[in-house]
Order: sequence, then C-alpha cells, then structure tokens
Amino acid sequence: QKEVEQDPGPLSVPEGAIVSLNCTYSNSAFQYFMWYRQYSRKGPELLMYTYSSGNKEDGRFTAQVDKSSKYISLFIRDSQPSDSATYLCAMSELTGGGNKLTFGTGTQLKVEL
Amino acid sequence: ETGVTQTPRHLVMGMTNKKSLKCEQHLGHNAMYWYKQSAKKPLELMFVYSLEERVENNSVPSRFSPECPNSSHLFLHLHTLQPEDSALYLCASSRRIGPSDTQYFGPGTRLTVL
Repeated sequence: QKEVEQDPGPLSVPEGAIVSLNCTYSNSAFQYFMWYRQYSRKGPELLMYTYSSGNKEDGRFTAQVDKSSKYISLFIRDSQPSDSATYLCAMSELTGGGNKLTFGTGTQLKVEL
Repeated sequence: ETGVTQTPRHLVMGMTNKKSLKCEQHLGHNAMYWYKQSAKKPLELMFVYSLEERVENNSVPSRFSPECPNSSHLFLHLHTLQPEDSALYLCASSRRIGPSDTQYFGPGTRLTVL
C-alpha cells in the first residue's frame, strides 16, 4: 500500500465548476499537509499549507484536513481555465534526516471553457 | 518566479556520458533538495542538504552523485545512467529542514537517457 493515495485523473470540468481533489494517507506521523500546483513544464508551486484538522481558505481555494480519517481535500470554487494543471498533495514528518515530504502521484485537472 | 533556477532545462545523454545538473537558489535558504519525477509516479526524494551537509540519501544508486559547495548551489553529477533514469529532476530549497519549512521548487531538468 502506498503511503499517500491520490487519484491521477484526468479530471475535466466546465469553467465555473467546484472542483474537489482528494488524498488519503496511511502514516499517522504526518504532521503538515500541503497542496502544490504544477503547470506543464514547470516545477511545483505551493498553493496551500495546513497543520491541524479543519478548513483553511485562501481566495477560491479551501484546504481541508481530517486527521482521524487520514484524508485531505482541496476545493477550488469558480474554477478557471488557468487552474488547469496537475495538483499534488504532499505531507511531511520530521525524520532524523529532517523534513521529508511524501507526495501523491498528482491529479491532472482540465477546466474547459 | 520561485527564486530557484536549474540548468540545463533539457538534457539528452547516452549511457556512457558524464553530465552535471546545476541548481541555484536566490532565497537565502539553508536547505536544498534533489527530487526525481517520473510519469505516473510520485516525486521521489533523492538527496537533502542542510548547511552544505548531506542529511538524507534515499537509497539512490551511486551513478547519481550530489555536490553542495555552498548553501546557494547544488549539483547532481550523472554517469553511466540507464534509460529508466529518464525523468524530470527537480531541485528545491527551504529556509531550514523543519516539517513546517516550505520547499520552493525550480522548473526542473528534463533528462532523457538513450
């Protein structure tokens, strides 16, 4: 079983739709949860960062963490064609070697006009 | 712009070649990372450096050799690679190596091994 499971998609939605992206994980040592966005031919860029269970909102984006279910989500409201990208969830634990990020495989999202 | 640059952006090499990937961060960070991103697979952490000292080596084959001469520069030296090493190699940096320290990524080097 993978430590982090993420549906690879692709996910295609019409402009203006609400998008829900999800990851599940098995490692209870994960402490911090992140969502990265990666456009084609670019490196990942941090979108959202959360620590505790609950919701965190930033503009059209809401990150949700449920540690009891080991489940995290990213919601995108009023989706735009510019949101078309691959979304990677990532989680971190403090190991002897420092900050170790474990990534999901990424979900490819396409927002159609 | 993330403040992390990588060169070259694309590299094609034969299995007997020796090449190097370069990463530079302009963020004043103390930690730098190499990741491998293959199609349909999660990013794989390869190496972590903190204050120019290697703190993590994730069972990476010896044909990959990292070098961190200072906190702003990171190299990945490549020799006798295999076709399965073809991937996007990403460099990242963070202020420190704590779990709350955000990692900022460069654009990556697309490597093709023939």
